[in-house]
Amino acid sequence: TQLLEQSPQFLSIQEGENLTVYCNSSSVFSSLQWYRQEPGEGPVLLVTVVTGGEVKKLKRLTFQFGDARKDSSLHITAAQPGDTGLYLCAGDNAGGTSYGKLTFGQGTILTVHP
Amino acid sequence: EAGVVQSPRYKIIEKKQPVAFWCNPISGHNTLYWYRQNLGQGPELLIRYENEEAVDDSQLPKDRFSAERLKGVDSTLKIQPAELGDSAVYLCASSLRTGARSSAFFGQGTRLTVV
Repeated sequence: TQLLEQSPQFLSIQEGENLTVYCNSSSVFSSLQWYRQEPGEGPVLLVTVVTGGEVKKLKRLTFQFGDARKDSSLHITAAQPGDTGLYLCAGDNAGGTSYGKLTFGQGTILTVHP
Repeated sequence: EAGVVQSPRYKIIEKKQPVAFWCNPISGHNTLYWYRQNLGQGPELLIRYENEEAVDDSQLPKDRFSAERLKGVDSTLKIQPAELGDSAVYLCASSLRTGARSSAFFGQGTRLTVV
């Protein structure tokens, strides 16, 4: 059973479209992070959210942490081909087990066509 | 500031041979992780260190995998003997917890191919 469920697993869209990626769990996390990974590279941290209900914006990317700190979403406005990659969410300290215990979702592969 | 450094970037070995990966974390980061990642999937934790102590190695296949972080800085991950199913990208990451926030920073990974 995956602790963090990401959806959709695959997303193929045209340039200019909007999209949302979801990260859901039955566990409460102390913080949640989103990463983007390109082929042949390690994941690159995009944002960390800590407070329930928190919303953070990074240019065309909007991240939201659920009120109960069990879920998160990533919304991209007007997607561009450069947004193509594997998007990963990772939760820390699930259920209060241990700070620094990062658990990853299975990822969402996003392809943005010109 | 230098990021997480891993070497080698690529390694091709025959099955049953040993292999070792090296990681130098970001200076001052006390937490070090080794993850394994298969193509198009999320990383899976192998082992987590807090300074030199392995605090979570429940997912490490201990019959063939070993890791060490002797001085609480750099770390090595070893596989002996390697199996075909060990082909994957091995990622090292480090973090410094601030309050409730633990943001991990990754190296570029080592892509292992076992033939």
